[in-house]
Amino acid sequence: EAQVTQNPRYLITVTGKKLTVTCSQNMNHEYMSWYRQDPGLGLRQIYYSMNVEVTDKGDVPEGYKVSRKEKRNFPLILESPSPNQTSLYFCASSWTTHTDTQYFGPGTRLTVL
Amino acid sequence: DAKTTQPPSMDCAEGRAANLPCNHSTISGNEYVYWYRQIHSQGPQYIIHGLKNNETNEMASLIITEDRKSSTLILPHATLRDTAVYYCIVRVTYNQGGKLIFGQGTELSVKP
Repeated sequence: EAQVTQNPRYLITVTGKKLTVTCSQNMNHEYMSWYRQDPGLGLRQIYYSMNVEVTDKGDVPEGYKVSRKEKRNFPLILESPSPNQTSLYFCASSWTTHTDTQYFGPGTRLTVL
Repeated sequence: DAKTTQPPSMDCAEGRAANLPCNHSTISGNEYVYWYRQIHSQGPQYIIHGLKNNETNEMASLIITEDRKSSTLILPHATLRDTAVYYCIVRVTYNQGGKLIFGQGTELSVKP
């Protein structure tokens, strides 16, 4: 089954404790992206990757890092999480940036205390 | 900023057609209209997209006005599982960042 998976689905952590949210897709997509969703602000892009070893900032990259060492994986790293990073995070993938369909993962709900 | 305007909420009776409007009066000639939906904090799901012709797939139909300033998503026989937030998005086909700009969407409630 074609899908985007994220782990963990739920995470409660404390300020400053490094964490990684994994994202994996099994569709051989070139393009992957991270969004965060907050009430009243909608979904906002954090980082994106057009292919292996090619990443770039989205609209709200501060406090986040990403890497793309393999085509299927695009982890989101929070080196020193803060409470303002409490949010619902989604990973998405598609064949390319100018393709019609983006597939989204199920989401990771992160709470930073 | 989102380039679309949608009503914040709508109701629809189960089994009836749900017609969700979207205004995009500043749409450019190379921008497509996309529709996604999000069911209760799940990941957004692609529904349909179009440029200027009407489109239909197994999920829905998309009607775009001739001047392209507005469109309507039609769910022909709404079910309870169609209860979701529906997002109308305009974007060019080649978008360096690939991002989708989600507005506030329309919260559709399908009622028995």
